[in-house]
Amino acid sequence: EPEVTQTPSHQVTQMGQEVILRCVPISNHLYFYWYRQILGQKVEFLVSFYNNEISEKSEIFDDQFSVERPDGSNFTLKIRSTKLEDSAMYFCASSAGLIDHYEQYFGPGTRLTVT
Amino acid sequence: AQSVAQPEDQVNVAEGNPLTVKCTYSVSGNPYLFWYVQYPNRGLQFLLKYITGDNLVKGSYGFEAEFNKSQTSFHLKKPSALVSDSALYFCAVRDMGKGRRALTFGSGTRLQVQP
Repeated sequence: EPEVTQTPSHQVTQMGQEVILRCVPISNHLYFYWYRQILGQKVEFLVSFYNNEISEKSEIFDDQFSVERPDGSNFTLKIRSTKLEDSAMYFCASSAGLIDHYEQYFGPGTRLTVT
Repeated sequence: AQSVAQPEDQVNVAEGNPLTVKCTYSVSGNPYLFWYVQYPNRGLQFLLKYITGDNLVKGSYGFEAEFNKSQTSFHLKKPSALVSDSALYFCAVRDMGKGRRALTFGSGTRLQVQP
């Protein structure tokens, strides 16, 4: 069964450093997403991406964040200058297509620790 | 704004007994509703969804959920619990009417099935 994959599984970085989290969505999916879950809190939506542009973003997704689909398979989330409060589990997801109600399939997550 | 409430942090049930995990939601339009399950060190796995039609929807691993519009609820159920069902369960909602794809998640309910 096709899966969303994410690398690395755990990333430790120092405050102020840039990090790039990587995801490979399910092939032939058209919509891609990033969510995050701070320890002990809810899963929160960050951004959705379709047709090589951001289609929706939350208030959390400020200028420090960016997303990119650099090739036909990868989808990345970049945090330019990490803060302590960026420590969280980051989940990538993808969904099939233009029909509205397609469910989102999630990867296993990248745990980001900012020290 | 859309929101989801899962009133129970943890549900304990004996193996073989029926289980219910509660979820209530709030959206301005008609909802798309989802249940996801998370096992340790795994991503969120899709269980089932309600889009329209029958109020009782069936999903993976013998789970089902009942949509109740008047009570704005979407409780997850299973007639006979297994120890392997022990995991973290998340309810999520998407507002059908606004063209948004972002899922709003509840805080999660930990299901513990005792042998």
